[in-house]
Amino acid sequence: EAQVTQNPRYLITVTGKKLTVTCSQNMNHEYMSWYRQDPGLGLRQIYYSMNVEVTDKGDVPEGYKVSRKEKRNFPLILESPSPNQTSLYFCASSLSGTGIGELFFGEGSRLTVL
Amino acid sequence: GENVEQHPSTLSVQEGDSAVIKCTYSDSASNYFPWYKQELGKGSQLIIDIRSNVGEKKDQRIAVTLNKTAKHFSLHITETQPEDSAVYFCAARTPYNTNAGKSTFGDGTTLTVKP
Repeated sequence: EAQVTQNPRYLITVTGKKLTVTCSQNMNHEYMSWYRQDPGLGLRQIYYSMNVEVTDKGDVPEGYKVSRKEKRNFPLILESPSPNQTSLYFCASSLSGTGIGELFFGEGSRLTVL
Repeated sequence: GENVEQHPSTLSVQEGDSAVIKCTYSDSASNYFPWYKQELGKGSQLIIDIRSNVGEKKDQRIAVTLNKTAKHFSLHITETQPEDSAVYFCAARTPYNTNAGKSTFGDGTTLTVKP
């Protein structure tokens, strides 16, 4: 089954404790992206990748890192999480490296930073 | 950069009625406008999209219209059903090389269809 898989789905952590949210897609998509969703603010793009070893900042990249060493994986790293990073995170992928065309979303990872 | 405004933020309709959600965008160079549906506890799914060279697109009960002059596009759902209840997001994408991978989303509309 074609899908985007995120882990963990739910996480409660404390300020400053490094964490990684993994994202994997099995559709051989070129493009992958991370979003955060906060009440009243919609989906805001954190980082995106148009191909392996190519990443770029979205609208809200502060406090996050990403890497794209393999085509299928695009982990989101929070080196030193803070409470303002409490949010619902979505990973998405698209066939085209330009991001045009359908985005396939994971089911989301709800992160709480205490 | 691109700015997308979506209205209304909440919409409640009676089953069988039509629902319309409108988005405006700021960058006249934007060329791709998808609509996504997010059901509770799930990721968003594309329901319809339109490119800048087309004025209207329809898929069964769902249609999208684009007015490039006014820089707005709208989602129309006819004969609404309770399973249409969800959060709907619009998005706009610009073709610039330096921002080739960026998509800007609206803030979402929570649609409730009452049986």
